[in-house]
Amino acid sequence: AQSVAQPEDQVNVAEGNPLTVKCTYSVSGNPYLFWYVQYPNRGLQFLLKYITGDNLVKGSYGFEAEFNKSQTSFHLKKPSALVSDSALYFCAVRDSGSARQLTFGSGTQLTVLP
Amino acid sequence: DTAVSQTPKYLVTQMGNDKSIKCEQNLGHDTMYWYKQDSKKFLKIMFSYNNKELIINETVPNRFSPKSPDKAHLNLHINSLELGDSAVYFCASSQEGVATNEKLFFGSGTQLSVL
Repeated sequence: AQSVAQPEDQVNVAEGNPLTVKCTYSVSGNPYLFWYVQYPNRGLQFLLKYITGDNLVKGSYGFEAEFNKSQTSFHLKKPSALVSDSALYFCAVRDSGSARQLTFGSGTQLTVLP
Repeated sequence: DTAVSQTPKYLVTQMGNDKSIKCEQNLGHDTMYWYKQDSKKFLKIMFSYNNKELIINETVPNRFSPKSPDKAHLNLHINSLELGDSAVYFCASSQEGVATNEKLFFGSGTQLSVL
C-alpha cells in the first residue's frame, strides 16, 4: 500500500520569506515522489519529481524539494515566496514496485501575503 | 495549443440524467486518466487507460463508464446522476514506458453540479 500525508491544510507566508510545504509518505518499496500545483479553476501542473539520485530536486518556478528517506519526507521549498505562488499544492507518491498509479495527498493551500 | 482539453467546462444537470464528459490529448501519450476532485479538494483516481485498454478501475460505481475510441481520447459517461456525483472531474495523460517520465498533464477540469 502507498499513502501520502500533507499535515497542513493551509500555509501562510509573507512575500519574500522562505516557504515550506510539508509532505510525508509511506510505500513498501522505493518511492517515486512528485509535487503538483493547482491554480484556481485550473488543472494540476507538474512542479518537480524525485525518482532517484540527488536528494535535492529542483523544479519549476524556483521550487525545490528535499527527499529524506529516514524521515520519509519530501518537503517543498522556495527561498523567497511570491504572491503569485499562492495556490493549492499536492504531493503525490507511487511505489516503484507497484502498478502505475499515483496517490495524491489532500493538498495544502499556500497563501503568500504581500 | 491546449495539451489536454476536456469539455464541457461546466455541467449542470438534474438527478437521474445521463451525461458525458469528453477528453482529448494532443501530446501523443499512451495513457489517459480520469480523476475526481471533491469539494474538499481531495483528488482520487477513477480510471486509467493505456492504448485504449483499461488498466486501472478504482472502486467506482458502474454508473461511470469510460470510453476510449483511440489513444488520444478518453470520454467519461455517467448514467443516472446522483447528488454525490457533484465534483470536479479531471482528465490527465502521461507517457507510458519511460520509468522516469511519470509526469501527468491535466486538463482544466469539468465542474459537474447535480441538482
